[in-house]
Amino acid sequence: ETGVTQTPRHLVMGMTNKKSLKCEQHLGHNAMYWYKQSAKKPLELMFVYSLEERVENNSVPSRFSPECPNSSHLFLHLHTLQPEDSALYLCASSQRVTKNIQYFGAGTRLSVL
Amino acid sequence: KQEVTQIPAALSVPEGENLVLNCSFTDSAIYNLQWFRQDPGKGLTSLLLIQSSQREQTSGRLNASLDKSSGRSTLYIAASQPGDSATYLCAVRRTRSQGNLIFGKGTKLSVKP
Repeated sequence: ETGVTQTPRHLVMGMTNKKSLKCEQHLGHNAMYWYKQSAKKPLELMFVYSLEERVENNSVPSRFSPECPNSSHLFLHLHTLQPEDSALYLCASSQRVTKNIQYFGAGTRLSVL
Repeated sequence: KQEVTQIPAALSVPEGENLVLNCSFTDSAIYNLQWFRQDPGKGLTSLLLIQSSQREQTSGRLNASLDKSSGRSTLYIAASQPGDSATYLCAVRRTRSQGNLIFGKGTKLSVKP
């Protein structure tokens, strides 16, 4: 266990649905991250939050909307997704953005029909 | 633009064999390089982190080397075991202030008993 918990582990949704992914860390970290892992492609950073403030947004479509209500929780709100958005979504946290080691959750496997 | 390449994409070896996984990156101006392990259905586990000023890091049967000038890193696994079967990911960090890790696609390792 890395101390980073993601729910749900699996999610199937239609293109018109709205759903949310949740990430929670109990490590006392101040930085949290969303990554996307698609088949045959490298892991891609989506968003970075430091002390609940978004500090990086890597040209992610607006149908993905992150929310960080406090330093322990991170959400990814999904709406009107496309089938190509099907992927493994990984959350990570680190002590600070400038601190090296990122601890990853087990991910949410998302399928968009 | 930094790109990370891992060769081979997949590797199968008999138990007990020593093996080397390769990682190359196009921009030698990195802050550090990290090796991760990813098991099916699970998130990433950090194995070794090498700062740009270091040449190698060791942890148990794992040894990671870094040649920044040539844009290469290797992960050496000694006396491989079936439990080492996983996908191994290499990631570089560009600067201290940015949390963005640039990942390779990984090498899927299978160690046969």
